Amino acid sequence: DVKVTQSSRYLVKRTGEKVFLECVQDMDHENMFWYRQDPGLGLRLIYFSYDVKMKEKGDIPEGYSVSREKKERFSLILESASTNQTSMYLCASRSPSGEQETQYFGPGTRLLVL
Amino acid sequence: AQSVTQLGSHVSVSEGALVLLRCNYSSSVPPYLFWYVQYPNQGLQLLLKYTSAATLVKGINGFEAEFKKSETSFHLTKPSAHMSDAAEYFCAHREAGGFKTIFGAGTRLFVKA
Repeated sequence: DVKVTQSSRYLVKRTGEKVFLECVQDMDHENMFWYRQDPGLGLRLIYFSYDVKMKEKGDIPEGYSVSREKKERFSLILESASTNQTSMYLCASRSPSGEQETQYFGPGTRLLVL
Repeated sequence: AQSVTQLGSHVSVSEGALVLLRCNYSSSVPPYLFWYVQYPNQGLQLLLKYTSAATLVKGINGFEAEFKKSETSFHLTKPSAHMSDAAEYFCAHREAGGFKTIFGAGTRLFVKA
């Protein structure tokens, strides 16, 4: 069974802390994504990666960075957490394009920045 | 520019009634279209997708959606709502050949007994 796991379900951090969110997929997918989900705004793309060590900015990359050192792992980094980064963070991996294309999502990490 | 609009942030139906969740998209190239469902405290799960084959797409849990190019719509329907359908539903769009998937703001479905 396909699986995307995220390192934490809930996190509480203080303003200015460096925060690491980890995501692991077991499907050998090349494409991985980080989104944040806020009420009334749907999912907004922060960063994505189409291969190891390859990354591209999404729609809201400011204040975030990512790392993809291994194919199965895609990390989101908040360099200096701020209160406006309080949100739900969702990781996803995507199967190859075509009829079978599907994005598989992790359960999410709910981050509170105080 | 690529965009997705879901009409209605909240929809309430009675158990056994028709479910209709509306989605319109904007794209200059052929689209791939998706509906995802999110149950409380969970990630998103794919319900169904349109990837240029049949325009009427059937998904899991009795849901279906019809791609109408002339109306740029991809509305989600289910003939008879069940209590377990209460969740948030997201319409999503990706341009063929593109990389990014754009999500709508979501519609929360309430089912009344």
